[in-house]
Amino acid sequence: SSELTQDPAVSVALGQTVRITCQGDSLKNFYASWYQQKPGQAPLLVLYGENNRPSGIPDRFSASISGNTASLTITGAQAEDEAEYYCNSRDSSGKHFFGPGTTVTVL
Amino acid sequence: EGQLVESGGDSVQPGGSLRLSCAASGFPFNNYAMTWVRQAPGKGLEWVSYISASGGSTYYADSVQGRFSISRDRFKKTLYLQMSSLRAEDTAVYYCAKGPTVTKDDAFDIWGQGTKVTVSS
Repeated sequence: SSELTQDPAVSVALGQTVRITCQGDSLKNFYASWYQQKPGQAPLLVLYGENNRPSGIPDRFSASISGNTASLTITGAQAEDEAEYYCNSRDSSGKHFFGPGTTVTVL
Repeated sequence: EGQLVESGGDSVQPGGSLRLSCAASGFPFNNYAMTWVRQAPGKGLEWVSYISASGGSTYYADSVQGRFSISRDRFKKTLYLQMSSLRAEDTAVYYCAKGPTVTKDDAFDIWGQGTKVTVSS
């Protein structure tokens, strides 16, 4: 299946921890990658693979996978983490697809 | 780190055509697969098309199959998206992205700033 599901929105108090999940059958065979998008900006890769951060991404961002569910966790959320977060995966044909996105609000 | 700069977005009537370009710099363009992703106004990201590093393999989303064509010029270090038979639902900001990158578990690690396409009569 080429469908990924995400919770539409989550909120977190400043400095607290929040987890975003992404579910889909493809995640049993292929890694998820995670993208942060702020209004008016291009997406930014924040996590990929088992739990890898590109250079410049703070270590408060972490990833995990369990069965068909991938998770992004922000430990000690900051105001600048408020954004839309998208997961992405692929199928065996090489086509990719994105989840619908999760809006993270930092209170 | 690398940079991608899209261009070519415009307003076009339904049924029309448009070619988007994406100029790459700062990384060995010819070594990497490339992808187009779009985002309709107020909506999420939609994967559109992929081309392998060699240009020998291409894939398309069902929504654009048969209407869009992806290509690349190794000498100009530029990625293209030829769009034809455009529909209102093709209205979106189109992003080019480096990847999927094998060394980054198929992630898209560099994105352009996007170019806007509006399809309207």
